[in-house]
Amino acid sequence: DIQMTQSPSSLSASVGDRVTITCRASQGIRDNLGWFQQKPGKAPKRLIYAVFSLQSGVPSRFSGSGSGTEFTLTVSNLQPEDFATYYCLQYDRYPLTFGGGTKVELK
Amino acid sequence: EVQLVDSGGDLVQPGRSLRLSCTGSGFSFGDYGMSWFRQAPGKGLEWVGHIRSKIYGGTREYAASLKGRFTISRDDSKSIAYLQMNSLKTEDTAMYYCSRGYGGDSWLFDYWGQGTLVTVSS
Repeated sequence: DIQMTQSPSSLSASVGDRVTITCRASQGIRDNLGWFQQKPGKAPKRLIYAVFSLQSGVPSRFSGSGSGTEFTLTVSNLQPEDFATYYCLQYDRYPLTFGGGTKVELK
Repeated sequence: EVQLVDSGGDLVQPGRSLRLSCTGSGFSFGDYGMSWFRQAPGKGLEWVGHIRSKIYGGTREYAASLKGRFTISRDDSKSIAYLQMNSLKTEDTAMYYCSRGYGGDSWLFDYWGQGTLVTVSS
């Protein structure tokens, strides 16, 4: 199975901050990686797919980058509605696997 | 408007069975693979399994730990995907979500159901 190591597991930030979350895959996953945001009691929401493609309707302050085994989600100018938990997901090979999640909290 | 509605969650005793449904609307359901995910209370997301669209054979993939107890099926005439869960264990307690998986030539997960809660307890 492909292991997705996501870091940090949590972070504290202020409105207006730039936040970076990393996922490392245990083997190459080409561009088959997405990022999801989840708020308490809600279903996950796709933010980024294919490493850097922005989901329609998602603000441009969200961006994805990376290749091979290391991938990054960056949130520029953090807004109040961005405080949530973020997950990466690899869909290159079965079983599909998520990172452990990053909880972004208000400092 | 694309919508997925999860249903069927309940409180069940260990060892019993339960079938969840995921009803789609607003898109050509049969053209898409459908995936199931789950999230135990306070934990992260876990992929459960996937059923391909008929054009890709309608075949299935499962998380190894669940294979044999969980079965995914689909009824394209009703735009419903099912998750049949047998021999339920307390550790199967979770919110279960369906999502639109593979369509066209790419993985999606662009739309999700609202989730349905399964509680396994005596």
